[in-house]
Amino acid sequence: GAVVSQHPSWVICKSGTSVKIECRSLDFQATTMFWYRQFPKQSLMLMATSNEGSKATYEQGVEKDKFLINHASLTLSTLTVTSAHPEDSSFYICSARDRLAGDQFFGPGTRLTVL
Amino acid sequence: GENVEQHPSTLSVQEGDSAVIKCTYSDSASNYFPWYKQELGKRPQLIIDIRSNVGEKKDQRIAVTLNKTAKHFSLHITETQPEDSAVYFCAVEGGTYKYIFGTGTRLKVLA
Repeated sequence: GAVVSQHPSWVICKSGTSVKIECRSLDFQATTMFWYRQFPKQSLMLMATSNEGSKATYEQGVEKDKFLINHASLTLSTLTVTSAHPEDSSFYICSARDRLAGDQFFGPGTRLTVL
Repeated sequence: GENVEQHPSTLSVQEGDSAVIKCTYSDSASNYFPWYKQELGKRPQLIIDIRSNVGEKKDQRIAVTLNKTAKHFSLHITETQPEDSAVYFCAVEGGTYKYIFGTGTRLKVLA
């Protein structure tokens, strides 16, 4: 079946540093990927839609200059949390939409802890 | 934008009983409704989905019903087992294929 990977699976960083998270579709092409954030005991909140070769579309309330998204190829999207602060600590999950089949598949998530 | 409400937030059932979780949505143009099971620290796993041209879909112990007129859909789990214990999320596919998730239901199946 379709596989989506994320790297790293967890990261701990100091306040003020930037962290990059990768989302890859391993066996299909994804023109569209999505980034979600999930705080403990809460739902998945869509942060942005990442489109290959164009700018990401951010949901209301999500700072585009803080959460930089790049979707440079049909199999890779990256999310960079810039100047991370403790309140950015969360579980970040991506999903990728199969360009041909239309199905979406979730990555395993990245747990970010900002000290 | 799309608004998805999910009830109940927690649900405890005895093993072997049925569990029902309900979601309502606001955008009548939505046409795809997946259900996910998420275990602690893991990715959401698709367990069943339904499209707007179908009223009901069943897969072994799991079923989903959709009422497009009333804009609600429900997950039904029969003969619950302890391994069904998890958090369940409904989702609605909105414009540009993005999913809006419900608030989640923590299901506990008591042995």
